[in-house]
Amino acid sequence: QVQLVESGGGVVQPGRSLRLSCTASGLNFNIYIIHWVRQTPGKGLEWVSLISSEGTNKFYADSVKGRFTISRDNSKNTVYLQMNSLRDEDTAVYYCAGVGSSWTFDYWGQGTLVTVS
Amino acid sequence: DIVMTQSPDSLAVSLGERATINCKSSQSVLHNSNNKNYLGWFQQKPGQPPKLLIYWASTRESGVPDRFTGSGSGTDFTLTITSLQAEDVALYYCHQYYNIPYTFGQGTRLEIK
Repeated sequence: QVQLVESGGGVVQPGRSLRLSCTASGLNFNIYIIHWVRQTPGKGLEWVSLISSEGTNKFYADSVKGRFTISRDNSKNTVYLQMNSLRDEDTAVYYCAGVGSSWTFDYWGQGTLVTVS
Repeated sequence: DIVMTQSPDSLAVSLGERATINCKSSQSVLHNSNNKNYLGWFQQKPGQPPKLLIYWASTRESGVPDRFTGSGSGTDFTLTITSLQAEDVALYYCHQYYNIPYTFGQGTRLEIK
């Protein structure tokens, strides 16, 4: 059974940093592309970033480019999202999602809440 | 960026009746190389992450009841739920994975009439 578990969320002041983690189990982690998607009541679902299976290719939404960095450690089955220079508008539930045979988000974690205030 | 627009924003349907949700993309999500529409549908219930229902516009994810059907091509897509059940009350989102940035529709809230 595939499971993704996010951690690292919390309350942080504007301008500060936070690092989210997404740890996977039940899958051959090092062949999966992993995304971060965030959700706010006002803006709905917003794609944030993705990292290729081997960590070579990384992409970001314009809204986070230059502030967020995605990385992964396949030996730990974990993807990270380093979030710097946080803004009020980064407040959201952050989900990690894994890409399976559908080529889109087959697997989701339960999410971790980030509040910038 | 590809803008995804859903209609309606909310929908109330009687149990056992049909629910139809539309999704329009600002540009085609049909890839000529493989003739696939890079369009998915998600269901989200309160306190839960989104759940993939449909991918490639019309392929049902494993375990999804066959009352859920996806159709359409190019820029216009539809999610149809035949014979609505109480457990289908949820938010529904369409989503394109044709190019980056991946984008989602604003969501359609489905309720029981």
